[in-house]
Amino acid sequence: EAGVAQSPRYKIIEKRQSVAFWCNPISGHATLYWYQQILGQGPKLLIQFQNNGVVDDSQLPKDRFSAERLKGVDSTLKIQPAKLEDSAVYLCASSLGPAGVFGYEQYFGPGTRLTVT
Amino acid sequence: AQSVSQHNHHVILSEAASLELGCNYSYGGTVNLFWYVQYPGQHLQLLLKYFSGDPLVKGIKGFEAEFIKSKFSFNLRKPSVQWSDTAEYFCAVRDAGKSTFGDGTTLTVKP
Repeated sequence: EAGVAQSPRYKIIEKRQSVAFWCNPISGHATLYWYQQILGQGPKLLIQFQNNGVVDDSQLPKDRFSAERLKGVDSTLKIQPAKLEDSAVYLCASSLGPAGVFGYEQYFGPGTRLTVT
Repeated sequence: AQSVSQHNHHVILSEAASLELGCNYSYGGTVNLFWYVQYPGQHLQLLLKYFSGDPLVKGIKGFEAEFIKSKFSFNLRKPSVQWSDTAEYFCAVRDAGKSTFGDGTTLTVKP
């Protein structure tokens, strides 16, 4: 089966610019996650969707980050304006089952490496 | 909120040595526990998981982990490592549907 697809793989922008990342989950997966992984740290959950509804966005810096999952399939994550501390790998993951239900494994995409200069 | 501690930031072993990587989470209740591995240049992938039942779980490539509820721990083990096990290993806890990851342990296996 095809895995989680993400694009672009790499992006370099200047601070105060905007950037968008795209994710296409595994077909049929209801739950989609965006994580931020700063160098030397583990992934940190930014937002979690169940179909096209937001389940958890408690760690999303909403003054500059936004995400949507139209039609419950692919998703975009946007940063506007970017700051130096946003330099990180942005990971998308998906799982078959609903958030909060035990037993559903997350499948990760390759990530987008963002450098803000 | 949960926090996850991985005690070793970088571990260096020779081939055939035994491996144990520590993982502790901050509080109890009903949690799911995971170990993920990221080989150089590859995606994060699941190594093994614990949901319920036997606290000793076996994963891919000869890895196993033991859940000790009283210690809030889920340590990863392998009796004999190979050069191909060189990777970064992440422990994760899922609590009420939300996953929290540790900061990872880089394992380098010398041939």
